[in-house]
Amino acid sequence: ETGVTQTPRHLVMGMTNKKSLKCEQHLGHNAMYWYKQSAKKPLELMFVYSLEERVENNSVPSRFSPECPNSSHLFLHLHTLQPEDSALYLCASSQVGADNSPLHFGNGTRLTVT
Amino acid sequence: DAKTTQPPSMDCAEGRAANLPCNHSTISGNEYVYWYRQIHSQGPQYIIHGLKNNETNEMASLIITEDRKSSTLILPHATLRDTAVYYCIVKGGGGADGLTFGKGTHLIIQP
Repeated sequence: ETGVTQTPRHLVMGMTNKKSLKCEQHLGHNAMYWYKQSAKKPLELMFVYSLEERVENNSVPSRFSPECPNSSHLFLHLHTLQPEDSALYLCASSQVGADNSPLHFGNGTRLTVT
Repeated sequence: DAKTTQPPSMDCAEGRAANLPCNHSTISGNEYVYWYRQIHSQGPQYIIHGLKNNETNEMASLIITEDRKSSTLILPHATLRDTAVYYCIVKGGGGADGLTFGKGTHLIIQP
Protein backbone atom coordinates (compact mmCIF):
# COMPACT_ATOMS: atom_id res chain seq x y z
CA GLU A 1 0.00 0.00 0.00
CA THR A 2 1.56 3.30 -1.05
CA GLY A 3 0.85 6.81 0.22
CA VAL A 4 -0.30 7.74 -3.28
CA THR A 5 -3.52 6.14 -4.52
CA GLN A 6 -4.66 6.18 -8.13
CA THR A 7 -8.05 5.20 -9.50
CA PRO A 8 -9.09 3.46 -11.60
CA ARG A 9 -6.26 0.92 -12.01
CA HIS A 10 -7.42 0.05 -15.52
CA LEU A 11 -9.48 2.07 -18.00
CA VAL A 12 -10.63 1.31 -21.53
CA MET A 13 -12.16 4.18 -23.45
CA GLY A 14 -13.21 4.98 -26.96
CA MET A 15 -11.81 7.95 -28.83
CA THR A 16 -14.99 10.00 -28.35
CA ASN A 17 -15.33 9.35 -24.61
CA LYS A 18 -14.55 11.71 -21.75
CA LYS A 19 -13.04 10.21 -18.62
CA SER A 20 -10.99 11.33 -15.62
CA LEU A 21 -8.09 9.80 -13.73
CA LYS A 22 -7.88 10.47 -10.03
CA CYS A 23 -4.90 10.65 -7.68
CA GLU A 24 -4.86 11.17 -3.92
CA GLN A 25 -1.80 11.49 -1.70
CA HIS A 26 -1.83 10.84 2.04
CA LEU A 27 1.72 12.06 2.72
CA GLY A 28 1.09 15.74 3.47
CA HIS A 29 3.08 16.78 0.40
CA ASN A 30 2.63 20.10 -1.41
CA ALA A 31 3.55 19.14 -4.99
CA MET A 32 1.94 16.63 -7.34
CA TYR A 33 2.93 15.30 -10.76
CA TRP A 34 1.50 13.44 -13.74
CA TYR A 35 3.80 11.15 -15.74
CA LYS A 36 3.10 9.07 -18.84
CA GLN A 37 4.85 5.76 -19.53
CA SER A 38 4.33 4.30 -23.00
CA ALA A 39 5.44 0.78 -23.84
CA LYS A 40 9.25 0.44 -23.88
CA LYS A 41 9.79 4.17 -23.32
CA PRO A 42 11.10 6.08 -20.30
CA LEU A 43 8.68 7.94 -18.07
CA GLU A 44 7.71 11.34 -19.47
CA LEU A 45 6.79 14.21 -17.16
CA MET A 46 3.48 15.77 -18.23
CA PHE A 47 2.36 18.23 -15.55
CA VAL A 48 3.57 19.58 -12.23
CA TYR A 49 1.53 21.32 -9.55
CA SER A 50 3.24 23.07 -6.66
CA LEU A 51 1.09 24.55 -3.90
CA GLU A 52 -1.90 23.92 -6.19
CA GLU A 53 -0.48 26.11 -8.98
CA ARG A 54 0.51 24.50 -12.28
CA VAL A 55 4.22 25.12 -12.71
CA GLU A 56 5.04 22.87 -15.64
CA ASN A 57 3.27 21.68 -18.76
CA ASN A 58 5.62 19.76 -21.03
CA SER A 59 3.99 20.42 -24.39
CA VAL A 60 1.17 18.06 -23.62
CA PRO A 61 -1.76 18.07 -26.10
CA SER A 62 -4.87 19.89 -24.94
CA ARG A 63 -6.88 16.65 -24.94
CA PHE A 64 -5.20 16.11 -21.54
CA SER A 65 -6.42 18.58 -18.93
CA PRO A 66 -5.10 18.47 -15.34
CA GLU A 67 -6.87 19.78 -12.28
CA CYS A 68 -5.54 20.19 -8.74
CA PRO A 69 -8.37 21.28 -6.40
CA ASN A 70 -6.22 20.98 -3.24
CA SER A 71 -2.79 19.72 -2.22
CA SER A 72 -4.02 16.15 -1.71
CA HIS A 73 -5.92 15.57 -4.95
CA LEU A 74 -4.97 15.61 -8.60
CA PHE A 75 -7.08 14.78 -11.64
CA LEU A 76 -6.32 14.21 -15.29
CA HIS A 77 -9.34 14.84 -17.51
CA LEU A 78 -9.26 13.04 -20.85
CA HIS A 79 -11.27 13.76 -23.99
CA THR A 80 -11.05 12.74 -27.65
CA LEU A 81 -7.94 10.67 -27.07
CA GLN A 82 -6.01 8.79 -29.76
CA PRO A 83 -4.91 5.15 -29.70
CA GLU A 84 -1.29 6.30 -29.24
CA ASP A 85 -2.34 7.79 -25.89
CA SER A 86 -2.65 4.24 -24.53
CA ALA A 87 -0.10 4.07 -21.71
CA LEU A 88 0.44 3.79 -17.97
CA TYR A 89 -0.35 7.14 -16.33
CA LEU A 90 1.47 7.68 -13.06
CA CYS A 91 0.88 10.21 -10.33
CA ALA A 92 3.55 11.26 -7.83
CA SER A 93 3.91 13.69 -4.94
CA SER A 94 6.77 15.37 -3.09
CA GLN A 95 7.49 18.07 -0.53
CA VAL A 96 8.77 21.20 -2.26
CA GLY A 97 11.21 23.22 -0.18
CA ALA A 98 12.68 20.17 1.53
CA ASP A 99 16.03 20.08 -0.26
CA ASN A 100 16.15 16.41 -1.09
CA SER A 101 12.57 15.23 -0.84
CA PRO A 102 12.08 12.18 -3.08
CA LEU A 103 9.01 11.70 -5.23
CA HIS A 104 6.56 9.01 -4.17
CA PHE A 105 4.56 7.34 -6.92
CA GLY A 106 1.21 5.61 -7.14
CA ASN A 107 0.78 2.37 -9.06
CA GLY A 108 -0.74 4.08 -12.05
CA THR A 109 -3.78 3.80 -14.28
CA ARG A 110 -3.36 1.53 -17.30
CA LEU A 111 -5.25 3.32 -20.08
CA THR A 112 -6.28 1.69 -23.33
CA VAL A 113 -7.82 3.85 -26.06
CA THR A 114 -9.79 1.90 -28.66
CA ASP B 1 20.15 18.04 -14.02
CA ALA B 2 23.19 15.91 -14.79
CA LYS B 3 22.86 12.91 -17.09
CA THR B 4 23.40 9.34 -15.89
CA THR B 5 24.63 6.21 -17.65
CA GLN B 6 23.59 2.71 -16.57
CA PRO B 7 24.07 -0.74 -18.14
CA PRO B 8 20.85 -1.84 -19.85
CA SER B 9 20.67 -5.18 -18.08
CA MET B 10 22.34 -7.31 -15.39
CA ASP B 11 21.90 -10.77 -13.91
CA CYS B 12 22.46 -11.78 -10.32
CA ALA B 13 22.04 -15.08 -8.48
CA GLU B 14 19.43 -15.26 -5.74
CA GLY B 15 20.97 -14.74 -2.30
CA ARG B 16 24.01 -12.91 -3.64
CA ALA B 17 24.64 -9.17 -3.48
CA ALA B 18 23.48 -7.23 -6.52
CA ASN B 19 25.74 -4.28 -7.36
CA LEU B 20 24.23 -1.81 -9.82
CA PRO B 21 26.59 0.85 -11.21
CA CYS B 22 25.75 4.36 -12.37
CA ASN B 23 27.96 7.01 -13.96
CA HIS B 24 27.17 10.69 -13.48
CA SER B 25 30.40 12.44 -14.43
CA THR B 26 28.80 15.89 -14.88
CA ILE B 27 27.12 15.98 -11.47
CA SER B 28 27.09 19.38 -9.76
CA GLY B 29 27.89 20.07 -6.13
CA ASN B 30 24.28 20.47 -5.02
CA GLU B 31 22.86 17.51 -6.93
CA TYR B 32 21.71 14.37 -5.15
CA VAL B 33 21.81 10.83 -6.51
CA TYR B 34 18.44 9.05 -6.28
CA TRP B 35 17.64 5.41 -6.95
CA TYR B 36 14.23 4.06 -7.84
CA ARG B 37 13.03 0.71 -9.09
CA GLN B 38 10.00 -0.29 -11.10
CA ILE B 39 8.51 -3.73 -10.99
CA HIS B 40 6.46 -4.59 -14.05
CA SER B 41 3.20 -2.60 -14.30
CA GLN B 42 3.69 -0.83 -10.99
CA GLY B 43 4.78 2.72 -10.18
CA PRO B 44 8.44 3.49 -9.49
CA GLN B 45 9.43 2.77 -5.90
CA TYR B 46 11.86 5.07 -4.10
CA ILE B 47 14.87 3.15 -2.75
CA ILE B 48 17.52 5.53 -1.44
CA HIS B 49 19.31 8.79 -2.15
CA GLY B 50 22.54 10.53 -1.15
CA LEU B 51 24.70 13.58 -1.68
CA LYS B 52 28.27 12.51 -0.96
CA ASN B 53 28.30 10.16 2.00
CA ASN B 54 27.45 6.50 1.72
CA GLU B 55 23.90 5.75 2.79
CA THR B 56 22.14 2.61 4.00
CA ASN B 57 18.53 1.81 4.73
CA GLU B 58 16.43 -1.32 5.10
CA MET B 59 16.33 -1.85 1.33
CA ALA B 60 19.81 -1.08 0.07
CA SER B 61 23.15 0.67 0.40
CA LEU B 62 24.36 3.52 -1.77
CA ILE B 63 28.08 3.97 -2.32
CA ILE B 64 29.14 7.28 -3.91
CA THR B 65 32.74 7.71 -5.06
CA GLU B 66 34.78 10.49 -3.52
CA ASP B 67 34.74 12.54 -6.74
CA ARG B 68 30.95 11.87 -6.96
CA LYS B 69 31.21 10.92 -10.61
CA SER B 70 29.77 7.46 -10.07
CA SER B 71 27.78 5.46 -7.59
CA THR B 72 26.75 1.88 -6.86
CA LEU B 73 23.47 0.62 -5.47
CA ILE B 74 23.91 -2.56 -3.45
CA LEU B 75 21.10 -4.99 -2.69
CA PRO B 76 22.83 -7.17 -0.07
CA HIS B 77 20.87 -10.42 -0.46
CA ALA B 78 18.93 -10.36 -3.70
CA THR B 79 15.62 -12.23 -3.93
CA LEU B 80 13.45 -13.04 -6.93
CA ARG B 81 11.22 -10.13 -5.96
CA ASP B 82 14.11 -7.73 -6.60
CA THR B 83 13.78 -8.38 -10.35
CA ALA B 84 12.90 -4.92 -11.70
CA VAL B 85 14.18 -1.95 -13.70
CA TYR B 86 16.45 0.20 -11.53
CA TYR B 87 16.80 3.90 -12.26
CA CYS B 88 19.66 6.15 -11.16
CA ILE B 89 18.68 9.84 -11.29
CA VAL B 90 20.61 12.98 -10.44
CA LYS B 91 18.69 16.04 -9.29
CA GLY B 92 19.49 19.24 -7.46
CA GLY B 93 17.50 21.56 -5.25
CA GLY B 94 14.09 21.17 -3.69
CA GLY B 95 12.02 22.61 -6.47
CA ALA B 96 8.96 21.06 -8.05
CA ASP B 97 10.52 20.16 -11.38
CA GLY B 98 10.14 16.42 -11.16
CA LEU B 99 12.64 13.69 -11.95
CA THR B 100 13.95 12.81 -15.39
CA PHE B 101 13.97 9.06 -15.90
CA GLY B 102 16.26 7.28 -18.36
CA LYS B 103 16.04 3.65 -19.46
CA GLY B 104 17.56 2.23 -16.28
CA THR B 105 19.06 -1.21 -15.67
CA HIS B 106 16.89 -4.29 -15.96
CA LEU B 107 18.08 -6.47 -13.08
CA ILE B 108 17.12 -10.12 -13.34
CA ILE B 109 17.59 -12.29 -10.26
CA GLN B 110 18.21 -15.91 -11.23
CA PRO B 111 17.04 -18.76 -8.95
